[in-house]
Amino acid sequence: QSALTQPPSASGSPGQSVTISCTGTSSDVGGYNYVSWYQQHPGKAPKLMIYEVSKRPSGVPDRFSGSKSGNTASLTVSGLQAVDEADYYCSSYAGSDNLVFGGGTKLTVL
Amino acid sequence: EVQVLESGGGLVQPGGSLRLSCAASGFTFSTYAMSWVRQAPGKGLEWVSGITGGVGITYYTDSVKGRFIISRDNSKNTLYLQMNSLRGEDTAVYYCAKVPSEWLSYAWAFDIWGQGTKVTVSS
Repeated sequence: QSALTQPPSASGSPGQSVTISCTGTSSDVGGYNYVSWYQQHPGKAPKLMIYEVSKRPSGVPDRFSGSKSGNTASLTVSGLQAVDEADYYCSSYAGSDNLVFGGGTKLTVL
Repeated sequence: EVQVLESGGGLVQPGGSLRLSCAASGFTFSTYAMSWVRQAPGKGLEWVSGITGGVGITYYTDSVKGRFIISRDNSKNTLYLQMNSLRGEDTAVYYCAKVPSEWLSYAWAFDIWGQGTKVTVSS
């Protein structure tokens, strides 16, 4: 199963908004609403930020939002803060009891 | 506090075996599915295996099928990953992760992660 495609890097200034894309196929992102997003700071464990495309776990700021159009899912971070600088990974159910992750995007707050 | 704590990692030769453990606390372990996710050095995340809460139905990514076995002991609130016939490409930090549902198929997301245990396969 191929990994989902994410841009290697993204950046924005404090207060700005940035959107990270996650492109798959009709067999994964486009076929199911089980898209999740994870934030990972260096040397730390991943943290769930978005699940089922657009749902936020309790405790995750509403500056983080998720959406999906066709085979591409997106994570938008609004009102960028220095603490948001991290790696972000998307994942999607890919059928046949399998889950795939994206390659990750390094978000830099300028 | 809801948490999971992995242990059992280490250095093992190619072809060898290792068993990872994950001790859970702060939630009713038997009512949640669990998974193992790994991250090779400098690389992204890769889902490895999952198991449902009560019945214990198991799932594996293709690259570990026939080599790894996931299991759980609900009486001990502990998740396991028995890794056999280890290869260099299995070198990674292995994370234990809780699924926010008894059934992996109802969520396919991981809301609680441990700090990981490092597995190195090398001669």
